[in-house]
Amino acid sequence: AQTVTQSQPEMSVQEAETVTLSCTYDTSESDYYLFWYKQPPSRQMILVIRQEAYKQQNATENRFSVNFQKAAKSFSLKISDSQLGDAAMYFCAYRSAGYSGAGSYQLTFGKGTKLSVIP
Amino acid sequence: NAGVTQTPKFQVLKTGQSMTLQCAQDMNHEYMSWYRQDPGMGLRLIHYSVGAGITDQGEVPNGYNVSRSTTEDFPLRLLSAAPSQTSVYFCASSSGGVGNQPQHFGDGTRLSIL
Repeated sequence: AQTVTQSQPEMSVQEAETVTLSCTYDTSESDYYLFWYKQPPSRQMILVIRQEAYKQQNATENRFSVNFQKAAKSFSLKISDSQLGDAAMYFCAYRSAGYSGAGSYQLTFGKGTKLSVIP
Repeated sequence: NAGVTQTPKFQVLKTGQSMTLQCAQDMNHEYMSWYRQDPGMGLRLIHYSVGAGITDQGEVPNGYNVSRSTTEDFPLRLLSAAPSQTSVYFCASSSGGVGNQPQHFGDGTRLSIL
């Protein structure tokens, strides 16, 4: 079974600064997908960014980028030019690339990192 | 464009009561799932469905039943509520076939069992 570990329960960042959230995972699979989800106080789960394991290039979405290190099984999220609206819980999640069974669809989540943005 | 709609948003039950959490999606997604979120934990999969008439258990299925009679709806039933089922419940859907399709989440149901 896959596991996802987020070792930072809480982090804070000054507005306009850069912060990096850590995520490591354990899997025996070679093909899979990784996601970062944001959960603001409104409780919604919002997809921030996703990465396919077979792609060496790190994914980028505006101010959000990842550092994907497949050999190290590491998938960190970098938020640049932090804004007050970035304050939220951030969850790292793993999904198998298999095409049948629960693993094809199930997301395995880390426990989350609570990010505070200081004005 | 409603996406994934969960009802109710909040519910308080007494131990032993039963209830159904509703989930509906209007995106014609094949895959639907239910997760629970507890403090200090990530989301954990309860049950999932890969299409109408097909359901299966996830990581924490005990105490919950599901059915999928239509593509759009995937209700979650608590047969006899227990305090351990106090949690926030999320329904999610995605198109099937490849793992990189993102899951679309509902806004969650906060359930308290007294």
